[in-house]
Amino acid sequence: KQEVTQIPAALSVPEGENLVLNCSFTDSAIYNLQWFRQDPGKGLTSLLLIQSSQREQTSGRLNASLDKSSGRSTLYIAASQPGDSATYLCAVTPRATGGFKTIFGAGTRLFVKA
Amino acid sequence: DAGVIQSPRHEVTEMGQEVTLRCKPISGHDYLFWYRQTMMRGLELLIYFNNNVPIDDSGMPEDRFSAKMPNASFSTLKIQPSEPRDSAVYFCASSYLPGSYEQYFGPGTRLTVT
Repeated sequence: KQEVTQIPAALSVPEGENLVLNCSFTDSAIYNLQWFRQDPGKGLTSLLLIQSSQREQTSGRLNASLDKSSGRSTLYIAASQPGDSATYLCAVTPRATGGFKTIFGAGTRLFVKA
Repeated sequence: DAGVIQSPRHEVTEMGQEVTLRCKPISGHDYLFWYRQTMMRGLELLIYFNNNVPIDDSGMPEDRFSAKMPNASFSTLKIQPSEPRDSAVYFCASSYLPGSYEQYFGPGTRLTVT
C-alpha cells in the first residue's frame, strides 16, 4: 500500500531564506508526483507536477525534484517570502490504482517570518 | 474558466439531517473526485467519476454517503443522516486525465454537524 510521508511537519524560517521540503513514498510505481499549496480555509492549488519519467520541474522560485528509485521528492523554495506561508502537500498517483487514486501526505506547514 | 465551483462554502447542520454538497467541475474535464479532509486523517479520496460514471467508491465511509453525477457539469455528495463525525472539509476536484495532468481543486465545503 502506497504511503506518503512529509518531513518536517512544520517549519518556521526568516524571510529570504532558501528552504527544502521533503516528501517520501513507499512504492516507486507512480504515474506522477504533485506538489500542492493550501492556504488556511482554502482549497489546494497545484504548484508543480512531475511525471514519472521526469527528474524535476521548475516554476519561478520553486523547484521540485523526483527520485523514484529512492522514493523521494523535494520542493525547493528560493528566497522565501511571507506570502509563501501555507501548508504544502505532496501527492503521488500510484500505477497500482490505475492512475486515478491520488495519495496525499499530511503536509508541511510553512511559516515565513518578515 | 472559473475553476471548480463548490457550494455551499460552509454548512452547519444538526445530527440526523440530510446534507447535500454540490460541485461544478472545470468544463472539459472527464474526471471528478470527491475528497474529505480532517485533522486526524488528512486528505482522503471518497469517490471518483469518469464521464459521469462512478468508477471507484471504495473510499466512501458508510452507506450514509452517496454521490451522483447526473451530467458532465454537476455532481452532488449527499450524507443522510449526518453525524458529528462527518464534520470535515469536503473538496471536489476535476482533471482531464489524472495520470498525466494536474487535479484542480475547488475551495471546499466546511461541514459542521452538531
